[in-house]
Amino acid sequence: SQQGEEDPQALSIQEGENATMNCSYKTSINNLQWYRQNSGRGLVHLILIRSNEREKHSGRLRVTLDTSKKSSSLLITASRAADTASYFCAFPSGGNTGKLIFGQGTTLQVKP
Amino acid sequence: NAGVTQTPKFRVLKTGQSMTLLCAQDMNHEYMYWYRQDPGMGLRLIHYSVGEGTTAKGEVPDGYNVSRLKKQNFLLGLESAAPSQTSVYFCASRRDLLAGVYTGELFFGEGSRLTVL
Repeated sequence: SQQGEEDPQALSIQEGENATMNCSYKTSINNLQWYRQNSGRGLVHLILIRSNEREKHSGRLRVTLDTSKKSSSLLITASRAADTASYFCAFPSGGNTGKLIFGQGTTLQVKP
Repeated sequence: NAGVTQTPKFRVLKTGQSMTLLCAQDMNHEYMYWYRQDPGMGLRLIHYSVGEGTTAKGEVPDGYNVSRLKKQNFLLGLESAAPSQTSVYFCASRRDLLAGVYTGELFFGEGSRLTVL
């Protein structure tokens, strides 16, 4: 399968705690993206990190990319109940064909 | 701007029936995608298009056909529906540049929930 693998599949934490989710992929990529999906809704783009970047921040989000290990992580700091959602990584597959493949997702529950 | 609009939002089919899902985007994006989402499987790419008049196969293209006759529309067809095609279908279009910087950001519709009996 070309899909990325995400870990853990599910995560349950208390409000205020940090949440970390990981994504691994198999091919060489030039960027990786993270998306969020609230229950019953479409996906929403969170952040893109390029292959020449090791870390990127956006508000309470921190994304890292390790191209040597073919892995990325998404850290949500000081989580809130509203962060409850599924989170997916996505990356190009097949060079510049335009194909974009998603990981299987991590379901995050933040308890108030 | 409406963004990406999918129709219909819900549909129930009998095995063997055909139907077409319509995706429309008003952002003048070149790239468009059809994914299916099943429990525990994440999103899987069915077909995609890199511009008007073009289509390409994704990871799970069998049983589906697509057409991109107009830039703003991407149609997904099921010629003979099977229960295995029960799923939530998402369409997306891609924004490449924002203020001259590549984003590759996908904009998703709200999904089309299809049940095949």
